[in-house]
Amino acid sequence: EPEVTQTPSHQVTQMGQEVILRCVPISNHLYFYWYRQILGQKVEFLVSFYNNEISEKSEIFDDQFSVERPDGSNFTLKIRSTKLEDSAMYFCASRLVNEQFFGPGTRLTVL
Amino acid sequence: GESVGLHLPTLSVQEGDNSIINCAYSNSASDYFIWYKQESGKGPQFIIDIRSNMDKRQGQRVTVLLNKTVKHLSLQIAATQPGDSAVYFCAETGGNKLVFGAGTILRVKS
Repeated sequence: EPEVTQTPSHQVTQMGQEVILRCVPISNHLYFYWYRQILGQKVEFLVSFYNNEISEKSEIFDDQFSVERPDGSNFTLKIRSTKLEDSAMYFCASRLVNEQFFGPGTRLTVL
Repeated sequence: GESVGLHLPTLSVQEGDNSIINCAYSNSASDYFIWYKQESGKGPQFIIDIRSNMDKRQGQRVTVLLNKTVKHLSLQIAATQPGDSAVYFCAETGGNKLVFGAGTILRVKS
């Protein structure tokens, strides 16, 4: 069964450093998403991506964040200068029609 | 603003009993609702969905009920098993992004 994959599973970084979180969505899907979940809290929408451009973003997704689909398979989330409060689980999701399929997440720890 | 919330943060049930997890939503424009299960260290896993033109949908051991009048969503799990222990989230959407509720922890006692 096709699934969304994410790498790395855990990323530790120093405050102020840049990180890139990587996702491989399900191959025939057209819509791509990033969500985050701070420990013990609910899952929050960050950004959606369709037809090679951002279709919607939340207030969280400020100028420090960017997304790319550099080729036909990868979907990346970049945080330019990480802050302590960026520590969270980051989930990638993709969909073809209705259902969003989520990856296993990347745990980002900012020290 | 839009929000989705849950009444009970933790639900403990005996193995074999039925579980009911509730959710309230506030965005009347939402037309699609989903229940997700999240096990520790994993991403949300789709359980069942329902469109706003329906009030009930059944899956294998799970049923989702939608009451648009009071903006209420519930998930019923029949014959709850230890493997059902997880955090359950409701989510709503008007077509693109998902708005998640706070989550309910389901604990199944053997």
